[in-house]
Amino acid sequence: EVQLVQSGAEVKKPGESLKISCKGSGYSFTSYWIGWVRQMPGKGLEWMGIIYPDDSNTRYSPSFQGQVTISADKSISTAYLQWSRLRASDTAMYYCARLKGSYPSFCDYWGQGTLVTVSS
Amino acid sequence: QSALTQPASVSGSPGQSITISCTGTSSDVGSYNYVSWYQQHPGKAPKLMIYDVSNRPSGVSNRFSGSKSGNTASLTISGLQAEDEADYYCSSYTSSTTVFGTGTKVTVL
Repeated sequence: EVQLVQSGAEVKKPGESLKISCKGSGYSFTSYWIGWVRQMPGKGLEWMGIIYPDDSNTRYSPSFQGQVTISADKSISTAYLQWSRLRASDTAMYYCARLKGSYPSFCDYWGQGTLVTVSS
Repeated sequence: QSALTQPASVSGSPGQSITISCTGTSSDVGSYNYVSWYQQHPGKAPKLMIYDVSNRPSGVSNRFSGSKSGNTASLTISGLQAEDEADYYCSSYTSSTTVFGTGTKVTVL
């Protein structure tokens, strides 16, 4: 069974750093892209970027380029989303998802989400 | 990249059919047959309902169907059921990234 299990909820202060994780199981982790999606409170889905764990090839959405870092450790089948300095506007639910299709273009399995709250 | 445009809300009675539109541009929806649709119930992760415009993943009811014409894609839910009440998002590949739609809240009356 394909599963993506994300790390738990985080409460941080503005200016702090954070790294959240997404562990894949039940499939060949190095054979599929992993993507990250943001959902701010009461808002829609936003595409952040994707990574190919086998070679760490990464593509960022223009809106998130330079704002976050996506990485992966294929030895432990885990992808990461990282911030060096959090802002209150980073408060959101963050989902990871496995990607399939050409380019690749759609998410067939999703993690349960990680809620990040940034507040002083 | 701007978000694809969806109606904020669509409603229907049980058993009826509804259609949700997803309007993009010639740079995204109009250029690629890589439109997908996701269902999201409150407090839950999104679920893939349609991929590559009109393909249904295994396990998704055949009451859900997708299509595309020009810069607009559509999701049709036939035989509307109470469990279909949720938010729906389209997405499209565009220029080495992906863009989501603004989202549509489906209400079953």
